[in-house]
Amino acid sequence: AQSVTQLDSHVSVSEGTPVLLRCNYSSSYSPSLFWYVQHPNKGLQLLLKYTSAATLVKGINGFEAEFKKSETSFHLTKPSAHMSDAAEYFCVVRTLEYGNKLVFGAGTILRVKS
Amino acid sequence: ETGVTQSPTHLIKTRGQQVTLRCSSQSGHNTVSWYQQALGQGPQFIFQYYREEENGRGNFPPRFSGLQFPNYSSELNVNALELDDSALYLCASSLGGSNSPLHFGNGTRLTVT
Repeated sequence: AQSVTQLDSHVSVSEGTPVLLRCNYSSSYSPSLFWYVQHPNKGLQLLLKYTSAATLVKGINGFEAEFKKSETSFHLTKPSAHMSDAAEYFCVVRTLEYGNKLVFGAGTILRVKS
Repeated sequence: ETGVTQSPTHLIKTRGQQVTLRCSSQSGHNTVSWYQQALGQGPQFIFQYYREEENGRGNFPPRFSGLQFPNYSSELNVNALELDDSALYLCASSLGGSNSPLHFGNGTRLTVT
């Protein structure tokens, strides 16, 4: 079974409009969840992480994510997109079930139109 | 604070050859892990080292091997290269522990022809 699923391979928004990138995970254990961003020809940068504290997590650059256990989701949002947000975003899960290694989703490419 | 640095940035090899990729961890980090990111896919875990010992491995064959040195820098070695080994190889360092975030380098782009 897929351990982390990013529901959209591509998302396109206009500058100034909200961003929603969807992620669902599967795990029998309490997971740690992360969102990473990757700009072209760059490494991965951590946006935010959830590690069993507050379910609404605030990250860098205005991004947030909410952990919903009942829905096994960890969707990433931002109220207003900026051109510089155009990049690929990865939802990542880490649990004992997967040997505590990071398991990445397939990624969502965010395009921001002017 | 020095971030994670990887070398070389790009590399072209021929099928059957061997390659060594290098990584310098972020200052103070004792754990390093390596990931393979094929084109259009998310990174896949290769293995992790903690204090010079391998302490986790993904679904990669034995021709993928690694080392971690006393200064916590690391190498990834791949023998008998195959065309499918063409990918971006990412190194990440952390303080260890399940809640420690990983800090990634910019990667080495390996092309096997």
